[in-house]
Amino acid sequence: DQQVKQNSPSLSVQEGRISILNCDYTNSMFDYFLWYKKYPAEGPTFLISISSIKDKNEDGRFTVFLNKSAKHLSLHIVPSQPGDSAVYFCAARDGLSGGGADGLTFGKGTHLIIQP
Amino acid sequence: DAGVIQSPRHEVTEMGQEVTLRCKPISGHDYLFWYRQTMMRGLELLIYFNNNVPIDDSGMPEDRFSAKMPNASFSTLKIQPSEPRDSAVYFCASSLISGGPQYFGAGTRLSVL
Repeated sequence: DQQVKQNSPSLSVQEGRISILNCDYTNSMFDYFLWYKKYPAEGPTFLISISSIKDKNEDGRFTVFLNKSAKHLSLHIVPSQPGDSAVYFCAARDGLSGGGADGLTFGKGTHLIIQP
Repeated sequence: DAGVIQSPRHEVTEMGQEVTLRCKPISGHDYLFWYRQTMMRGLELLIYFNNNVPIDDSGMPEDRFSAKMPNASFSTLKIQPSEPRDSAVYFCASSLISGGPQYFGAGTRLSVL
């Protein structure tokens, strides 16, 4: 049972426009959410994170929004650039359980393609 | 900072052989994680360590898998004996603090024939 879901396997956006990547989760114990970007043959690279006590976090062109009631978060990239073409993973941490509290649960990723 | 270093980058072996994957975390990071990525299951946590002590190994698929962290700068993930279904990309990651962002290595692509 997937606790973190990214329902769009791929997304194509024109250069300069806004890219919006979505993520849904089912575990209400998740208290910290992260977005990672991954290029082929490389490891995931940390992009931005948000704590469950916030609803928005911004870092340059990247903004993450969290809607706890809907168990939904999104990553906005504005403006989109060719170098943003990559696979984006949403991840979440279950902060309240014992044991694996520091391990992350990942979605399956969305392949973002920025078209010139 | 060299980041998280994994070796080898690629490993091809035959079923039944022992495989050892290696990881050097970022210096000063107290947490080390091993993940596996497959097409079917995506990225899954296998095990993680805090200050060289295994904290949660509930993601380790079978007794054939074992992980050690003999010191703060080195960890191994061993599969013995290996099976074709172990073919995947194995990532190591480290983080500075509990709940902090995790920084990943480039991964080891394992193919078991």
